[in-house]
Amino acid sequence: QVQLVQSGAEVKKPGASVKVSCKVSGYTLTELSMHWVRQAPGKGLEWMGGFDPEDGETIYAQKFQGRVTMTEDTSTDTAYMELSSLRSEDTAVYYCATLVASSGYFDYWGQGTLVTVSS
Amino acid sequence: SYELTQPPSVSVSPGQTASITCSGDKLGDKYACWYQQKPGQSPVLVIYQDSKRPSGIPERFSGSNSGNTATLTISGTQAMDEADYYCQAWDSSILYVFGTGTKVTVL
Repeated sequence: QVQLVQSGAEVKKPGASVKVSCKVSGYTLTELSMHWVRQAPGKGLEWMGGFDPEDGETIYAQKFQGRVTMTEDTSTDTAYMELSSLRSEDTAVYYCATLVASSGYFDYWGQGTLVTVSS
Repeated sequence: SYELTQPPSVSVSPGQTASITCSGDKLGDKYACWYQQKPGQSPVLVIYQDSKRPSGIPERFSGSNSGNTATLTISGTQAMDEADYYCQAWDSSILYVFGTGTKVTVL
């Protein structure tokens, strides 16, 4: 059973960056394809990007290209998502989720991290 | 960009059947899945590969996908099924797209 435990809530000022972590247990990070999905208050789910096991590269949704970086520390089985140049519209709950690549669905989700962007 | 459209809300009486649609161009040519999300909780996968149920998901949840529409059906709806439901589709061209979400209310 995969467990994903995310870092705590963050409050950031516009223009700053935030880095959210996602600690894996039950499996090693190298056995998984980790992705990130966000949800603005009262809104729907939005895929941000993640690891594509077919070509071994990290892919990002076009909307976030140039502003998001997803990394992994396999020594600690922890994935990270860093979002820069924050604006108020980035206020959201950010989830890590594991992808079943063969069928394109997310089977395990972290508990979510609320990032609030406010001056 | 690819879009998946769901009705904003569906109301159902306890014990009755709720059907939630998800519409997108040639959606039937892609894999569709469904997530249930209760307030303040993370999404939970309830259907994958159009019609398969993960372990632990009740049999009252079923899915289908054909043409331009995927459908999630909840048979014998219970109060505990009240939640937001999101469809999601994938293929190599659209990557990962979520539907607009449907709030299911059990009256």
